[in-house]
Amino acid sequence: DAGVIQSPRHEVTEMGQEVTLRCKPISGHDYLFWYRQTMMRGLELLIYFNNNVPIDDSGMPEDRFSAKMPNASFSTLKIQPSEPRDSAVYFCASSLEGAVTPGLAIYEQYFGPGTRLTVT
Amino acid sequence: AQTVTQSQPEMSVQEAETVTLSCTYDTSESNYYLFWYKQPPSRQMILVIRQEAYKQQNATENRFSVNFQKAAKSFSLKISDSQLGDTAMYFCAFMKHPASGAGSYQLTFGKGTKLSVIP
Repeated sequence: DAGVIQSPRHEVTEMGQEVTLRCKPISGHDYLFWYRQTMMRGLELLIYFNNNVPIDDSGMPEDRFSAKMPNASFSTLKIQPSEPRDSAVYFCASSLEGAVTPGLAIYEQYFGPGTRLTVT
Repeated sequence: AQTVTQSQPEMSVQEAETVTLSCTYDTSESNYYLFWYKQPPSRQMILVIRQEAYKQQNATENRFSVNFQKAAKSFSLKISDSQLGDTAMYFCAFMKHPASGAGSYQLTFGKGTKLSVIP
């Protein structure tokens, strides 16, 4: 089965430009997460969706960041305008809500390969 | 809010030897999940092992096992018979049980431990 797919793998852009990162979750998964990884702050959750609906965007750093999930198989993370401090690796992850019965639940998040963003 | 602490920024181990990576966490929750993720140089985040807080038995996956001490809020990872392919960053992560309400399903990560396996 295909895992989580992210594109592009690498993005280099100039300050002020719009950047769009894309994610295709694992088919059938109902949760989608966007994370950012930097040396200084480690891995941080930016936003997550359940059944295409944003549930918690408290990790989104500024209004320059926005995320959408128009359908169950596609999500975007947009930065407009981009700044050098946005340089990081951005990960998308998906998961399936497991059964309610303890022991059968999974809740495991499967990560994509990440997009390395460099803003000059 | 939950916090996860990995106190060993870097570690090394000889091939075929055993190494233990430390992780402590702070939470007021009684039911939660703990994970270890591996991030090799390829950057891919790979789930290594998972522990449910309500289970007293420590999780084991082949050469990987955990020592879960709930009262001490400690969750260490033991890698036996270390292999060169184990060289990676290892992240400890915490997730509230989904029935806990707000903040569930979110992973809180530690800063990571860089493990080098030496031939």
